[in-house]
Amino acid sequence: AQSVTQLGSHVSVSEGALVLLRCNYSSSVPPYLFWYVQYPNQGLQLLLKYTSAATLVKGINGFEAEFKKSETSFHLTKPSAHMRDAAEYFCAVSGPKGKLTFGTGTRLQVTL
Amino acid sequence: ETGVTQSPTHLIKTRGQQVTLRCSSQSGHNTVSWYQQALGQGPQFIFQYYREEENGRGNFPPRFSGLQFPNYSSELNVNALELDDSALYLCASSLGTQQETQYFGPGTRLLVL
Repeated sequence: AQSVTQLGSHVSVSEGALVLLRCNYSSSVPPYLFWYVQYPNQGLQLLLKYTSAATLVKGINGFEAEFKKSETSFHLTKPSAHMRDAAEYFCAVSGPKGKLTFGTGTRLQVTL
Repeated sequence: ETGVTQSPTHLIKTRGQQVTLRCSSQSGHNTVSWYQQALGQGPQFIFQYYREEENGRGNFPPRFSGLQFPNYSSELNVNALELDDSALYLCASSLGTQQETQYFGPGTRLLVL
């Protein structure tokens, strides 16, 4: 069975500061991992996807994530936060038949 | 290229009623998955449809049912609505049933009173 744990339900950073959102996974098979972003009252938008081709994955809006098998982690980072990055971020792992198992989400707040 | 669309955007029902939610998949996608997102939670997998057949189901009771049509659009039906069914219902489409990327629609927000 697959599962995802997101550490920190709320993260607050200053504009221009580093963003680090944590995700740890559990999977019985080599995982496909995803980060999605959800803006208020909207659906989910794909930020990036790990498919075992490369451990450092670059996504949209300047985000990237690094797959670390030894730590079972897939943390999301962005060097410099912008106000428009304020949203809910979800980490997910793909299981049998493509079923996505999501974490509980991390709300990112960006302050001036 | 048209993305995933869902209708209606908002819906209010009373306990015991039935509801149908609709989803149009992204052009060229043959697989539709439905998720329920309760307030403050991550999405939970309900079921997936591939070429008009159910292709996997999460931990939801039988009163949650679905359909997929030849054009790959889909419906989610919920009978005997309960208060806990209040949530955002998300539809996602993909090309295939394995680890292909799922693209989400904007969701339908259901409120059960």
